[in-house]
Formats: sequence, C-alpha cells, structure tokens
Amino acid sequence: SQTIHQWPATLVQPVGSPLSLECTVEGTSNPNLYWYRQAAGRGLQLLFYSVGIGQISSEVPQNLSASRPQDRQFILSSKKLLLSDSGFYLCAWSTGPTYTEAFFGQGTRLTVV
Amino acid sequence: DQQVKQNSPSLSVQEGRISILNCDYTNSMFDYFLWYKKYPAEGPTFLISISSIKDKNEDGRFTVFLNKSAKHLSLHIVPSQPGDSAVYFCAASHPVRKRLTGGGNKLTFGTGTQLKVEL
Repeated sequence: SQTIHQWPATLVQPVGSPLSLECTVEGTSNPNLYWYRQAAGRGLQLLFYSVGIGQISSEVPQNLSASRPQDRQFILSSKKLLLSDSGFYLCAWSTGPTYTEAFFGQGTRLTVV
Repeated sequence: DQQVKQNSPSLSVQEGRISILNCDYTNSMFDYFLWYKKYPAEGPTFLISISSIKDKNEDGRFTVFLNKSAKHLSLHIVPSQPGDSAVYFCAASHPVRKRLTGGGNKLTFGTGTQLKVEL
C-alpha cells in the first residue's frame, strides 16, 4: 500500500534561518507531488507541484523553493525564513493523469520566531 | 486569483439535519472535483469526488452535485453527525502535461468551510 511520510511534525525556527522539509512517498512510482500551506485562518494554498523529476512548478511568488531529487522525494526549502512563512505545511501525492484524489501527509507546523 | 471559492467560512447544523457545503470555480479546464475533510493539525482526508461528465455522485451519507453551467458544486451530508464537525475543502483538478508519461494532474483547493454539527 502507498504511504506518505512528512517530517518533522513541528518546527520552530528563528527569522533568517534556513528551512528544509522533506516528504517521501512509498508504494507508488512517478507520482504527482505537491506542497501546500495552510496559514492561520486561511485555506490550502498550493505552493509547488511536480509531475516528475525535474518538473517543478511554482504557484505563488515567495521565499520558498522546492526540489525533487528522486522520483518519490519532494523537498521544500528556504535560505532565509521570514515571519510570514509560519504556517502548516502539507505534502501530498496523487497519480496521474487525472480522476484521482490526492493523499496528504500529516503536515508540519512551522513557527518562525 | 482564487479559482476555487468557498464563500461560507462556517456552517452550523443540528445533528440529523442536512449539511450543504458549496463551492464555486472559475476555470473551465477543471475536469474533476473532490471534497476533503480536515481536522486540526492533520492532513486532509479524501471524502468523495465527481467527474465533470457527471452531475451527481453518492457515497453513503455523502452526495456531491455538480452544475457545470453554473460552475458550482455542492456537498450534501445527510444525516449530519457530530463526528462530521471539521473543515471541508473542495478541490478541482485539471490535467498537466508530463514529459515522459503524458499526463499528470494539479489540484487547486478552496478556502474551506468549518462545519459544526450540534447535538
């Protein structure tokens, strides 16, 4: 069966520090991968999505970047965190081409102080 | 540009009654629609979906209706139960081209509706 792992579950980082959140998927190949953020009182905002290695699309201009070094690994990074980067970050995967649901990890609560 | 909108941030219904959650979209390229349920500090879990070629899909207490001409979909929960209390997100999918396999999909979520089912 397919599983998705996202870590860490919680993170408190000072302003200006770097960030690396990792997400891995098991039990499937060539998934579509996503990073979403839920800010306090807001909906799920799509940050990045990737339909394959080397294919990453950014949805909103921001202080973050994403990379997909392996087929089932998706990394969210920042060189210098801002206070506004605080939020609940969710990794998800789906299989293509369409007509399929996405499955989410448990999320990472990031607090930038 | 919010392509998927849920205009009601919250909804309160009595146990046993019907809950109706609404969602509007603007992108005519969306070809598949989904509803998710989310509890605090957890990832969303999939509830029910509908293809754009259908207008209704039912699964137990949950029914999703799609009105393509109005670009509107709704989720009906009947009867509502206290355990249904959560944030509900609608999502829309459209195909994305993949280099090697020819297909992928991208999900865009609405802002969510907090449903509270009261005793």
